[in-house]
Amino acid sequence: GEDVEQSLFLSVREGDSSVINCTYTDSSSTYLYWYKQEPGAGLQLLTYIFSNMDMKQDQRLTVLLNKKDKHLSLRIADTQTGDSAIYFCAESIGGDYKLSFGAGTTVTVRA
Amino acid sequence: DSGVTQTPKHLITATGQRVTLRCSPRSGDLSVYWYQQSLDQGLQFLIQYYNGEERAKGNILERFSAQQFPDLHSELNLSSLELGDSALYFCASTTGGSPLHFGNGTRLTVT
Repeated sequence: GEDVEQSLFLSVREGDSSVINCTYTDSSSTYLYWYKQEPGAGLQLLTYIFSNMDMKQDQRLTVLLNKKDKHLSLRIADTQTGDSAIYFCAESIGGDYKLSFGAGTTVTVRA
Repeated sequence: DSGVTQTPKHLITATGQRVTLRCSPRSGDLSVYWYQQSLDQGLQFLIQYYNGEERAKGNILERFSAQQFPDLHSELNLSSLELGDSALYFCASTTGGSPLHFGNGTRLTVT
């Protein structure tokens, strides 16, 4: 089935690294995504990784995928106040790009 | 800016009424997806259209319907509205080889 789980809250000090974790259950996931939602705003695509990759780096963002454990993580280096938001992990299965989302992790950056 | 346009941004209506939400996909995208985001259910996939044809259905109520027009814009129709239909409704589009890009959503409040 399609079931994506994330921890609900993360508090991090400005300048530190944030790590947001996600687990998924469907081993046939083709792509895994991270979206960011700021208060009152829409869903912004941050990054994504194909299921045959282990890691993807994009500036301050690093995505790690452990397919054996069905575990996905997003690391944000040098976290800034503008990174405060809800982060959603999502998986797509097959070729239709229908996404199944986690509940979202609220990241709070404190000075 | 994702390139996906949703109107209106906010909608307030009474129970029992009917509303129409509109989405214009990114230029060139043939697939449109509708999602509902509510506090208790999180982000739920409702329905997908591809080039005017319904492609997949998710947790969409019978009171809800959608269509995609020849110019590829899509409308989501919600009827016999109930208090529990209050939510943020997102539209997303893709060209099939790219991740979903979301609009900023329509916030529906049913009073």
